[in-house]
Amino acid sequence: QSALTQPPSASGSPGQSVTISCSGTSSDVGNYNYVSWYQQHPGKAPKVIIYEVSERPSGVPDRFSGSKSGNTASLTVSGLLAEDEADYYCSSYTNRNNFYVFGTGTKVTVL
Amino acid sequence: EVQVVESGGDLIQPGGSLRLSCAASGFTVSSNYMSWVRQAPGKGLEWVSVTYRGGGTSYADSVKGRFTISRDNSMNTVYLQMNSLRADDTAVYYCARAPVTSSGVLTNMDVWGQGTTVTVSS
Repeated sequence: QSALTQPPSASGSPGQSVTISCSGTSSDVGNYNYVSWYQQHPGKAPKVIIYEVSERPSGVPDRFSGSKSGNTASLTVSGLLAEDEADYYCSSYTNRNNFYVFGTGTKVTVL
Repeated sequence: EVQVVESGGDLIQPGGSLRLSCAASGFTVSSNYMSWVRQAPGKGLEWVSVTYRGGGTSYADSVKGRFTISRDNSMNTVYLQMNSLRADDTAVYYCARAPVTSSGVLTNMDVWGQGTTVTVSS
């Protein structure tokens, strides 16, 4: 099962912005606008923060935004807060056998 | 309150079997796609399986032929039967509700449980 590719880590100071990339293929990210992003704090369950590339669920701050270009999706966290320090995973529907695929995950550190 | 609660995780020997349960409340599993996702210690998320509204199923290649997902609509519960367990099945297993489009494309997972831990070791 081929995971989507994310950088292992990203960091920024409070108030700054950080952008995380998510690289896929034409079988997933490139051909479907069903990319979602999940935030996971240590020992906790994942929480969806972006779905369908750029939609935010109710209650998710607008500091979180998503976009996509070609086979690569991106998550931007603006105005970093200490509470944003967490692991972030992208995911996408895939037309390959595996139906659904997650990214490799990115640990965001707030300096 | 909309939530799912997993149970059934345990320490099991290689080659053994285990059944996980996912009890939903605040919504009906029969009207939704329901999925299992796992996370090995210190590793990322891995999609495992999904059950469709109509009763169909899909599996990750890593578990195909060994795991079976099912649902009991009367109990509003989803199950994951895991057979021929291996050490690399060791993980926290999460159950999640999976909204889909009208054509059955999974768009995200919006309700997650707290997870249940499966450890495969002799």
